Amino acid sequence: EAEVAQSPRYKITEKSQAVAFWCDPISGHATLYWYRQILGQGPELLVQFQDESVVDDSQLPKDRFSAERLKGVDSTLKIQPAELGDSAMYLCASSPPAGARGTEAFFGQGTRLTVV
Amino acid sequence: AQSVAQPEDQVNVAEGNPLTVKCTYSVSGNPYLFWYVQYPNRGLQFLLKYITGDNLVKGSYGFEAEFNKSQTSFHLKKPSALVSDSALYFCAVRVSGNTPLVFGKGTRLSVIA
Repeated sequence: EAEVAQSPRYKITEKSQAVAFWCDPISGHATLYWYRQILGQGPELLVQFQDESVVDDSQLPKDRFSAERLKGVDSTLKIQPAELGDSAMYLCASSPPAGARGTEAFFGQGTRLTVV
Repeated sequence: AQSVAQPEDQVNVAEGNPLTVKCTYSVSGNPYLFWYVQYPNRGLQFLLKYITGDNLVKGSYGFEAEFNKSQTSFHLKKPSALVSDSALYFCAVRVSGNTPLVFGKGTRLSVIA
């Protein structure tokens, strides 16, 4: 069964350092999402891609966060510099091509980030 | 703007008893509703969805949910709970195409043997 791949699974970094997360969506899925989930809360959208284009990054803290999906396949989310408040689970999800109304998003296992 | 409310932080139920996890939503237009489950340090797993049609939808692991338009609710149910159902459950809504899912804050289900 096809899955969304994320790496690393766990990351510990010192504040002010740079950190990057990688996501490989299910093959053929044009839409890719990055969500952040703070402990005890629901996931919140950071950025949405349609192929290689950003559709929605209104909630992405652009002073320190960046995201790219250069070839419209895999994606990288970067934080520089990391802050203590960035400690969270970072989830990547993908959906089939636009037009499949109501189709669920498929999530990866997530990257648990701890900033110390 | 769309939103989802899960009014219970925690639900406790004895094994073998029926369970209900509540969800209400607010959207402009017709909602597409979803339930996901999350185990510790794992991603979200899809359980079921309502798009259109029959208000009672059946999903994975014996779960079902009932869409009630007048009450704007989409409660998750299971006739007989298992200890292995203990996890964090999220309700989510989207309004069209591939717009992002908007999640509730989650409900922790604890099934006691």
